[in-house]
Amino acid sequence: GDSVTQMEGPVTLSEEAFLTINCTYTATGYPSLFWYVQYPGEGLQLLLKATKADDKGSNKGFEATYRKETTSFHLEKGSVQVSDSAVYFCALNSGGYQKVTFGIGTKLQVIP
Amino acid sequence: DTAVSQTPKYLVTQMGNDKSIKCEQNLGHDTMYWYKQDSKKFLKIMFSYNNKELIINETVPNRFSPKSPDKAHLNLHINSLELGDSAVYFCASSQNPGSSNEKLFFGSGTQLSVL
Repeated sequence: GDSVTQMEGPVTLSEEAFLTINCTYTATGYPSLFWYVQYPGEGLQLLLKATKADDKGSNKGFEATYRKETTSFHLEKGSVQVSDSAVYFCALNSGGYQKVTFGIGTKLQVIP
Repeated sequence: DTAVSQTPKYLVTQMGNDKSIKCEQNLGHDTMYWYKQDSKKFLKIMFSYNNKELIINETVPNRFSPKSPDKAHLNLHINSLELGDSAVYFCASSQNPGSSNEKLFFGSGTQLSVL
């Protein structure tokens, strides 16, 4: 079956540091890949997505590239802010009725 | 206007009680979902409804019964609550579930605590 593996947190960074959150996956077919973000007390919201190999999703300074050869979709940001503190979920969907598979979530804490 | 709204935000109750969580979406989507997020933040799908029809039922105990009176609403009723039911429950919706690149829209969650 489909699965998503992402690094366990928490990840603690100083403001303006470089962020990488690793995500690898196993899936049948050619899934779409997503990063969702959950701010404290809120539901998840889509951060970025990529639908085919070598696509790069980007939003709010975050980027992730769909790497089919390494089955990875690592999230990066060049300079994090305190407001980026949240839980980040990597996810995939192989198609069908939106049976999205989520990773365990990585908590990011950015300190001033 | 909140796109996916669920109530209540917090629910504290005793073991053995029956409770309901309500969800409404004003996005015009055909498909709605319930997800459970445990204390370690692991997110797992419970149910999916498309236009009031049950599509996905992921090995959830019979004590959990979703009800969709219309495609804009998907409520979750839980009978005989147990300690292990304590979690955050998220409602979500999507427009085109047959497409793998369609995103989910989530509500803000209901934190259920069973004492």
